Amino acid sequence: AQSVTQLDSHVSVSEGTPVLLRCNYSSSYSPSLFWYVQHPNKGLQLLLKYTSAATLVKGINGFEAEFKKSETSFHLTKPSAHMSDAAEYFCVVSDYSAGTASKLTFGTGTRLQVTL
Amino acid sequence: DSGVTQTPKHLITATGQRVTLRCSPRSGDLSVYWYQQSLDQGLQFLIQYYNGEERAKGNILERFSAQQVPDLHSELNLSSLELGDSALYFCASSVEASGAVYEQYFGPGTRLTVT
Repeated sequence: AQSVTQLDSHVSVSEGTPVLLRCNYSSSYSPSLFWYVQHPNKGLQLLLKYTSAATLVKGINGFEAEFKKSETSFHLTKPSAHMSDAAEYFCVVSDYSAGTASKLTFGTGTRLQVTL
Repeated sequence: DSGVTQTPKHLITATGQRVTLRCSPRSGDLSVYWYQQSLDQGLQFLIQYYNGEERAKGNILERFSAQQVPDLHSELNLSSLELGDSALYFCASSVEASGAVYEQYFGPGTRLTVT
């Protein structure tokens, strides 16, 4: 069974400072991992994905995440926060094994607040 | 804009009623997924259709059903509605070829309020 744990429900940073949103996963197989962002009253937008290629994944809007198998982690980072980054961020894991459909399992979300 | 469209945007109805939510996937995507997002349950996978056939089921209630029609758009039918069904319902689509995991693209959601 797959699962994902987002270690912080709320993170607050000042504009221009680094962002770190933490995510740990559990997976029976070689997982695919994603980060999605949800702005207020909007749908979910894909930020980036890891699918067993390079362990450091670059996404949109300056975000990146590093897959660390030994730590079962996939933390999301950004060097410098912008006010427009304020949103809810979801870490997502998907297992695929032959004969089954891929299914996304979402974390509980981390609300990022960016202050002046 | 993800290319996935959902109608209606908002829906207000009474307990015991039945509603239908509609979704059009991105052009070329064969898989459609339905999710429910509520404050107490978070984002939950309901059901997946691939090329017209049910592919996977998640935490979908028996009162709920879905279908994917030949032009690949999908409908989620919710019946005997209860107050607890009030939530944001998302549709997502992906290419979903066998042997790989593809990212899903989400629509803007339908906000259902049951009074």
